[in-house]
Amino acid sequence: DGGITQSPKYLFRKEGQNVTLSCEQNLNHDAMYWYRQDPGQGLRLIYYSQIVNDFQKGDIAEGYSVSREKKESFPLTVTSAQKNPTAFYLCASKVKGQGTEAFFGQGTRLTVV
Amino acid sequence: AQSVTQPDIHITVSEGASLELRCNYSYGATPYLFWYVQSPGQGLQLLLKYFSGDTLVQGIKGFEAEFKRSQSSFNLRKPSVHWSDAAEYFCAVAKRDSNYQLIWGAGTKLIIKP
Repeated sequence: DGGITQSPKYLFRKEGQNVTLSCEQNLNHDAMYWYRQDPGQGLRLIYYSQIVNDFQKGDIAEGYSVSREKKESFPLTVTSAQKNPTAFYLCASKVKGQGTEAFFGQGTRLTVV
Repeated sequence: AQSVTQPDIHITVSEGASLELRCNYSYGATPYLFWYVQSPGQGLQLLLKYFSGDTLVQGIKGFEAEFKRSQSSFNLRKPSVHWSDAAEYFCAVAKRDSNYQLIWGAGTKLIIKP
């Protein structure tokens, strides 16, 4: 079955550590997105990529980094520079350049301990 | 700047009652319009979408939404809610430009009273 897989579902990080969240899709979508979700704030765009080896900052990119070496994969690294990383992170993908819907993974809950 | 407003943070409805969740957007042209649902700790699932044509669109799980251009609204409705409809609902629009970036509302949490 086609879909988006995020791993792990739960992640704990000590302050000062970098951590990488995985996102893999087999939908053959060119466009992939990372969102952060906090209670009462909806979805905020962190980074997005429309094509392999290219990505753009979203609204809240500070303290995050991404790579897009393969079409299927769009990992997100939460760096120690992110001051408040505890949140729910969602990865999505869609067909590039069309107003079609985005498909979402099941999310990763990151907690800083 | 384009924006999406969901004016109700929470809505409480009795099981079996009708439901309407509001969504308003600000955008010069008619965007693509979406409603998604999110159960706690889960990803988002598409309920329905509007691109063009008939302004009343049917979705999954018995939901429908009506696009009203004059009011810049895309309200979600269901004639009779079930306890399993308790979730958070998000409205989103995609600008009709080269990127079709999604712009999200803040969400409405639906609580079902038994």
